[in-house]
Amino acid sequence: NAGVTQTPKFRVLKTGQSMTLLCAQDMNHEYMYWYRQDPGMGLRLIHYSVGEGTTAKGEVPDGYNVSRLKKQNFLLGLESAAPSQTSVYFCASTLLAPGTDTQYFGPGTRLTVL
Amino acid sequence: SQQGEEDPQALSIQEGENATMNCSYKTSINNLQWYRQNSGRGLVHLILIRSNEREKHSGRLRVTLDTSKKSSSLLITASRAADTASYFCAKKETSGSRLTFGEGTQLTVNP
Repeated sequence: NAGVTQTPKFRVLKTGQSMTLLCAQDMNHEYMYWYRQDPGMGLRLIHYSVGEGTTAKGEVPDGYNVSRLKKQNFLLGLESAAPSQTSVYFCASTLLAPGTDTQYFGPGTRLTVL
Repeated sequence: SQQGEEDPQALSIQEGENATMNCSYKTSINNLQWYRQNSGRGLVHLILIRSNEREKHSGRLRVTLDTSKKSSSLLITASRAADTASYFCAKKETSGSRLTFGEGTQLTVNP
């Protein structure tokens, strides 16, 4: 199993450009999450999904959209990138079952917005 | 808002010493988890302690939970240079599926 993978690993955008980050998991997990990590701020939840076709807002959703058309994929979109969105983005997934709250993380996408 | 407050922010020790990191939180939890992050990598789950548990061990890791004080600690015994990483606590509230992460403790173990 590859676990959780993220594409791309690095990206540089200009202000106003758009892009989509792809997260894929092969563990048949129900729940998927997008976080951003900024220096000294830990991880903050952007959006999450509790199953195929469902999404919900997290702590810092503004400026981002998500889609979960397939169970194994969770896409994070930036429609008009801003310098404040420069960050490292992590995707995570977890299995929906009692006692299995562990989240499995991808390697991250480092995004710079100029 | 960050509800897993961690202390200290940074810790530097010598190999062989023990490292203790603390985490406090504000609301009721279902469980509290600790994760490790090596530089430039994703987070890796270390250990989970439930609200009805007081102590848990995994290899050189020992986690305690004091729900009356709303705090947890992670102890790494006999540290190694390879333990150098950031350590995060993550709280799962009694309802919902979300985790709230603290700001992390940067541990440096000097050889």
